[in-house]
Amino acid sequence: DAGVIQSPRHEVTEMGQEVTLRCKPISGHNSLFWYRQTMMRGLELLIYFNNNVPIDDSGMPEDRFSAKMPNASFSTLKIQPSEPRDSAVYFCASSLSQGTAQYFGPGTRLTVT
Amino acid sequence: AQSVSQHNHHVILSEAASLELGCNYSYGGTVNLFWYVQYPGQHLQLLLKYFSGDPLVKGIKGFEAEFIKSKFSFNLRKPSVQWSDTAEYFCAVNNNAGNMLTFGGGTRLMVKP
Repeated sequence: DAGVIQSPRHEVTEMGQEVTLRCKPISGHNSLFWYRQTMMRGLELLIYFNNNVPIDDSGMPEDRFSAKMPNASFSTLKIQPSEPRDSAVYFCASSLSQGTAQYFGPGTRLTVT
Repeated sequence: AQSVSQHNHHVILSEAASLELGCNYSYGGTVNLFWYVQYPGQHLQLLLKYFSGDPLVKGIKGFEAEFIKSKFSFNLRKPSVQWSDTAEYFCAVNNNAGNMLTFGGGTRLMVKP
């Protein structure tokens, strides 16, 4: 199995630009999670989906952030407009079913200047 | 709400020393427990997991963890660390009623050669 795939691996953009991060979960996994990791706040859960439906988005910092999962093999996290404080590593993870282990992708390192 | 505490934020050891990283959680019901490792510049990787059965769990790379229900603890151990074990270690808990993992704040381990 290829594992969780994320793209791009690195993104550098200017403040105010739209950023779209992409994730392909492990085939057959029913749940997908978006996390953000920074030195200051550590690992934060932003949103998670179960069977393509958003279940908990309470971690999404503000309306500039949105996430979609149009099908079982693809999800996007969009930031519009981006701000320098959004700079972080964004991880996507997937799990087979409720309560099982989550498997993380390689992450996208976002830098907003 | 459940919480996870990792009391040691930074640990420095010499090679061949024994390791024990503490993890305590605050949920009283049935839990699934996990340890993840994040090597510098990489994503989180699953080290080991506990769902039920033998409370002493063996993981990859010589790591093990012991679930002590009465102490709400799931400490990570390794008899003899190597320089390559330098990483950040995260404990995580799932209350088996949902998909979310609650992560501890992480412990940064540095192993001196």
